[in-house]
Amino acid sequence: GAVVSQHPSRVICKSGTSVKIECRSLDFQATTMFWYRQFPKQSLMLMATSNEGSKATYEQGVEKDKFLINHASLTLSTLTVTSAHPEDSSFYICSARFPGVVTSPLHFGNGTRLTVT
Amino acid sequence: DAKTTQPPSMDCAEGRAANLPCNHSTISGNEYVYWYRQIHSQGPQYIIHGLKNNETNEMASLIITEDRKSSTLILPHATLRDTAVYYCIVRVNNEKLTFGTGTRLTIIP
Repeated sequence: GAVVSQHPSRVICKSGTSVKIECRSLDFQATTMFWYRQFPKQSLMLMATSNEGSKATYEQGVEKDKFLINHASLTLSTLTVTSAHPEDSSFYICSARFPGVVTSPLHFGNGTRLTVT
Repeated sequence: DAKTTQPPSMDCAEGRAANLPCNHSTISGNEYVYWYRQIHSQGPQYIIHGLKNNETNEMASLIITEDRKSSTLILPHATLRDTAVYYCIVRVNNEKLTFGTGTRLTIIP
């Protein structure tokens, strides 16, 4: 069964509004979660690393004020797309790994398809 | 991270073994080979990983050459549900995985 749950699976919003996406680790605590974005027919691009209890670290070119990440608990990270625009329409995916061993595999959520109209 | 090279696409007949190659000639001694796959419109799924020994699990086998410069993922009896993009990633650990373009595997009925 799924070990990382992502919600919602699909969302449509109007340009200028904000959208929050939740990523939960099920039955394990994840001090670190990763957020990816995938445009059609492209590969996954890492956006940011979400760290429980501290600020997220963003990849080069990702606007931290636009993509707000909060990792307030050991099982929940949220990504908020603020003032969304049509070019933010994409497939957003989170991931986490079991704690303890850094070589343990990443588990991914099923993604959130965001459409901004 | 070592660079990986995979064929962009492959076909395999249903029921046959699917052998997906990956070249990683610049791999360093402490880097693992990870395989993930992404079925259309879903999040990636972990398949298997290894350091230098061959590995097998319920999903697949991973064969790593002795010099570790290449590897092959083997799906022993491919089904239609194995149609996906397969990613070979070489890293020291699973932090900040970088996905390349992968191999689009199509299972033919």
